[in-house]
Amino acid sequence: GENVEQHPSTLSVQEGDSAVIKCTYSDSASNYFPWYKQELGKRPQLIIDIRSNVGEKKDQRIAVTLNKTAKHFSLHITETQPEDSAVYFCAAESGGGADGLTFGKGTHLIIQP
Amino acid sequence: DVKVTQSSRYLVKRTGEKVFLECVQDMDHENMFWYRQDPGLGLRLIYFSYDVKMKEKGDIPEGYSVSREKKERFSLILESASTNQTSMYLCASIPGTVSYEQYFGPGTRLTVT
Repeated sequence: GENVEQHPSTLSVQEGDSAVIKCTYSDSASNYFPWYKQELGKRPQLIIDIRSNVGEKKDQRIAVTLNKTAKHFSLHITETQPEDSAVYFCAAESGGGADGLTFGKGTHLIIQP
Repeated sequence: DVKVTQSSRYLVKRTGEKVFLECVQDMDHENMFWYRQDPGLGLRLIYFSYDVKMKEKGDIPEGYSVSREKKERFSLILESASTNQTSMYLCASIPGTVSYEQYFGPGTRLTVT
């Protein structure tokens, strides 16, 4: 089955700096890669996703890049703000999004004022 | 606005008890999922369902079963609860056609003593 590795487990950055979280996956058939944000005590929420026919996708301060050859994808957050503090999970899925996701173990992002 | 609800936020059960966790979504979603979330392990897929009376094993189905008698309701069953099933359980659903965003419920914190 699919295996998703996520790094780092904890990331501390100064407010206004950029943050990058990286994930690798094992199943070359995977074609859907979402990122979820989970604030303390709340449910995970989708922040951005990318499909295998696209190399990069941006949404305001958030971007995701995908390298299918190397089987890795990354989340980039620019101009970080205190409300970006949360746990971020990457995931991969081979059914185009209809099957269950395989998640990474999460990255705790801390924004230092 | 999509709403996914779970029957309990907190539950305490004894070893060996049969436990039912219920999830209801109100948006006529086809696909529903059960995950468990543990610190340092991320979210792991237990079971999912494409349709009424359909079920598929996820990555960690051992010790669990599921039931989907109605489209809006997906139940997770612990046949004989054990202490290693103490965890946060999250239900999710997706439309399956227009969007593949997983909408999560608030979670059930289950403690087995």
